[in-house]
Amino acid sequence: DAMVIQNPRYQVTQFGKPVTLSCSQTLNHNVMYWYQQKSSQAPKLLFHYYDKDFNNEADTPDNFQSRRPNTSFCFLDIRSPGLGDAAMYLCATSRDRGPLGEQYFGPGTRLTVT
Amino acid sequence: GNSVTQMEGPVTLSEEAFLTINCTYTATGYPSLFWYVQYPGEGLQLLLKATKADDKGSNKGFEATYRKETTSFHLEKGSVQVSDSAVYFCALNENLPGNQFYFGTGTSLTVIP
Repeated sequence: DAMVIQNPRYQVTQFGKPVTLSCSQTLNHNVMYWYQQKSSQAPKLLFHYYDKDFNNEADTPDNFQSRRPNTSFCFLDIRSPGLGDAAMYLCATSRDRGPLGEQYFGPGTRLTVT
Repeated sequence: GNSVTQMEGPVTLSEEAFLTINCTYTATGYPSLFWYVQYPGEGLQLLLKATKADDKGSNKGFEATYRKETTSFHLEKGSVQVSDSAVYFCALNENLPGNQFYFGTGTSLTVIP
């Protein structure tokens, strides 16, 4: 089945130690998104790629970076995780950026910072 | 600006009860509206959507009607099941380049046998 895959499902890192979260998709969608979701809150968009075009949200901290080496993969890099970065990180894709653009979500990676 | 407001939870219902989760929105243009569901430990799944005023989205017994006059998109189900226990998110897509989604804060539903 075509899907959005996130690895690992659970990640523990130490305060200040760089960590990378991975997302892959078999949908061949043009757009990939990264969201941060803290407990009992709505997902918050961090950035998205339209093909190779990177789009950062204005309030996304510089500590968060992303790479998309090809259509199928997208990575979220947290350069120096703080305790406040502990959250669920959701990857999503959509075929295009236009209207009716339904987003397909992966299962998420829960990040713990110790 | 754009925003989505959902009724606060948690909501607890007995099996076969009627469900309503209220959602209202503010948008500068003509958005599409969505309900997503998140089961424990999983990502968000699209439940239903409506792309223009008076459209009704429906799926798995859930329904929601896009009401432009009241800027609402309330989720309803006539008879809930234990398996419906999840967090429900209302969202809008402004239908502009960038496909920015605006999510509500989510409503947790627990259905007890």
